[in-house]
Amino acid sequence: AQTVTQSQPEMSVQEAETVTLSCTYDTSESDYYLFWYKQPPSRQMILVIRQEAYKQQNATENRFSVNFQKAAKSFSLKISDSQLGDAAMYFCAYRSRTTSGTYKYIFGTGTRLKVLA
Amino acid sequence: GAGVSQSPRYKVAKRGQDVALRCDPISGHVSLFWYQQALGQGPEFLTYFQNEAQLDKSGLPSDRFFAERPEGSVSTLKIQRTQQEDSAVYLCASSWGTSYNEQFFGPGTRLTVL
Repeated sequence: AQTVTQSQPEMSVQEAETVTLSCTYDTSESDYYLFWYKQPPSRQMILVIRQEAYKQQNATENRFSVNFQKAAKSFSLKISDSQLGDAAMYFCAYRSRTTSGTYKYIFGTGTRLKVLA
Repeated sequence: GAGVSQSPRYKVAKRGQDVALRCDPISGHVSLFWYQQALGQGPEFLTYFQNEAQLDKSGLPSDRFFAERPEGSVSTLKIQRTQQEDSAVYLCASSWGTSYNEQFFGPGTRLTVL
């Protein structure tokens, strides 16, 4: 079974600085996708960035980028120029393609990011 | 509506009561997911619909949990004979297609079982 591990329950970063959130996963599949989701205190989850496993190039979305190491099964999120609005829970997620053809998502336990003014 | 909506936002039930949680996905979205999120944890997959077909219900914790999406749009998650361990936030998400399209999440329903 696939698992997703986020070993940092909480991280802090000074406004305008850079922070990296860690995520590791375990799978025997070769075809999968990885995601980072943000969940602000209002609870509505939003997608931050996604990575296709077959692509070697790391995904980038404005201030957000990932370091995808497929062999190490590592998928970290880097937030540059941190802003107060970045404060939230961040979840790493793996999208499994099951043998039945459905698309089960597996989430980590989350990292709470605090941004200090 | 512009996004995924869920109702009620909050539900308090006495142990043993049945509850029904509603999800209105974004119009036209084929895929619909239900998740259970316990306090301080990440969402855990419950079930997946592709249109009206429930293709994966492997995450439903017991036979007290039942989900349906009869017309391929609105979905209802029903929990029978609620137990205290059912207390959690129940999240619904929908996506346009069946590939890795972005999931759009609803605000969730916080269920408290006394």
